[in-house]
Amino acid sequence: GEDVEQSLFLSVREGDSSVINCTYTDSSSTYLYWYKQEPGAGLQLLTYIFSNMDMKQDQRLTVLLNKKDKHLSLRIADTQTGDSAIYFCAEKNVGSYIPTFGRGTSLIVHP
Amino acid sequence: DAGVIQSPRHEVTEMGQEVTLRCKPISGHDYLFWYRQTMMRGLELLIYFNNNVPIDDSGMPEDRFSAKMPNASFSTLKIQPSEPRDSAVYFCASSGARAGELFFGEGSRLTVL
Repeated sequence: GEDVEQSLFLSVREGDSSVINCTYTDSSSTYLYWYKQEPGAGLQLLTYIFSNMDMKQDQRLTVLLNKKDKHLSLRIADTQTGDSAIYFCAEKNVGSYIPTFGRGTSLIVHP
Repeated sequence: DAGVIQSPRHEVTEMGQEVTLRCKPISGHDYLFWYRQTMMRGLELLIYFNNNVPIDDSGMPEDRFSAKMPNASFSTLKIQPSEPRDSAVYFCASSGARAGELFFGEGSRLTVL
C-alpha cells in the first residue's frame, strides 16, 4: 500500500531556512500536500503541488518535487518562532479522495 | 465561511460512559472524514462519508465505535462504552475541492479515566 515517510524532528535557528523532507511510495500520486498543525489545533493546508510540477513557491514557502526519487520537500525561508509546529506531508492518487499522511515532522525554532 | 466545526473541544469521562462527538462540515463539501490522533499511532482514518453515505469504515477500531451522517451538515462519532485507550484527539475533516485538500476542525480532545 501507500506509505509516506518523514523524519520526526527538525530544529533550526530563527532566521535560518528550514527544509522538511518527505518520501512516498505510490508512483501514481497526483497531488502532494503539506499541512501545518499548531499546538491544540487541527491540521491546516499550507500548500499542495500537482505531480506534473517540479516546484511551487508561495511567499516564504517553496515546495520541490522529485518524481523520479519520489521525494517532496518544503523549504521555509527566514524561519520564525511562529513557524514552530508539526508539518505533515500527504499524497493522493487519481481516483481516490483519501490522502495518505506521514507521521509529521515537529519543527522547533529557537532564538 | 466558519470552517469545520467540532464539539465538544474537550471531554473528560469515566470508563464505560457513552461519548458523542459532533461535526459540522463546510457547506457544499461532499466528503466527510473522521480521524483519530495519538502520539503512538499518529493520524488514523476511522471512517469517511460521501454524500452522507459511509464508504469505508475499516479504520473503526471496534464495534464500540459508530458514526452517522444523517444529513449533509451534521455527523456524529459515538463510542459506547468508552475505555481509557480511546483517549485521543478526534478530528473531523471535510473536502469538496477538486484537488482533494482536506479542511480540518479544531478537534475534540477525549480523556477517558
